[in-house]
Amino acid sequence: SQTIHQWPATLVQPVGSPLSLECTVEGTSNPNLYWYRQAAGRGLQLLFYSVGIGQISSEVPQNLSASRPQDRQFILSSKKLLLSDSGFYLCAWVSGGRVRTEAFFGQGTRLTVV
Amino acid sequence: GENVEQHPSTLSVQEGDSAVIKCTYSDSASNYFPWYKQELGKRPQLIIDIRSNVGEKKDQRIAVTLNKTAKHFSLHITETQPEDSAVYFCAASMPGGFKTIFGAGTRLFVKA
Repeated sequence: SQTIHQWPATLVQPVGSPLSLECTVEGTSNPNLYWYRQAAGRGLQLLFYSVGIGQISSEVPQNLSASRPQDRQFILSSKKLLLSDSGFYLCAWVSGGRVRTEAFFGQGTRLTVV
Repeated sequence: GENVEQHPSTLSVQEGDSAVIKCTYSDSASNYFPWYKQELGKRPQLIIDIRSNVGEKKDQRIAVTLNKTAKHFSLHITETQPEDSAVYFCAASMPGGFKTIFGAGTRLFVKA
């Protein structure tokens, strides 16, 4: 079966520090991978999506970046965090089945920038 | 690009009453509309979905309707129970789940 792992679960970082969140998927190949951010009490904002190795599409221009060095690995990064980067970050894998197309989410990373 | 709007942002109902959440989408190429439920502190999980070739779908107490012409789709929960309390997200995506865009979410409170 397919599983998605995301870490760390929680992170407290000072302003200006770098960020690296990692997401890996097991049990499938060539998955469509996504990074979403959920600010407190708000919806899921699409940040990046990737349809293959080295293919990254950005939805929201900001100081975050994403990379896909391997087929089942998706990384969210920042060189210098801002206070406004605080939020709940979710990695997701979307299965493109004929009957059901479902997004499977990682456990999420709660990032607090202080 | 696709934009999904969801209303209301907060909904409070009495146990046993019905709850309706509405969404609109902008891109006519979207053909798949899932709904996710996110309980407190947990990740969103798919609860029901509908494809653009279907107008209505029902699964026990929940149902979804889709009006392609108006680009509207709705979630209906009947006989609500306290465990239905959660944040619900609608979403729209292109064929194959490419680029799934979520609504802002609706926080549903079911009062016992």
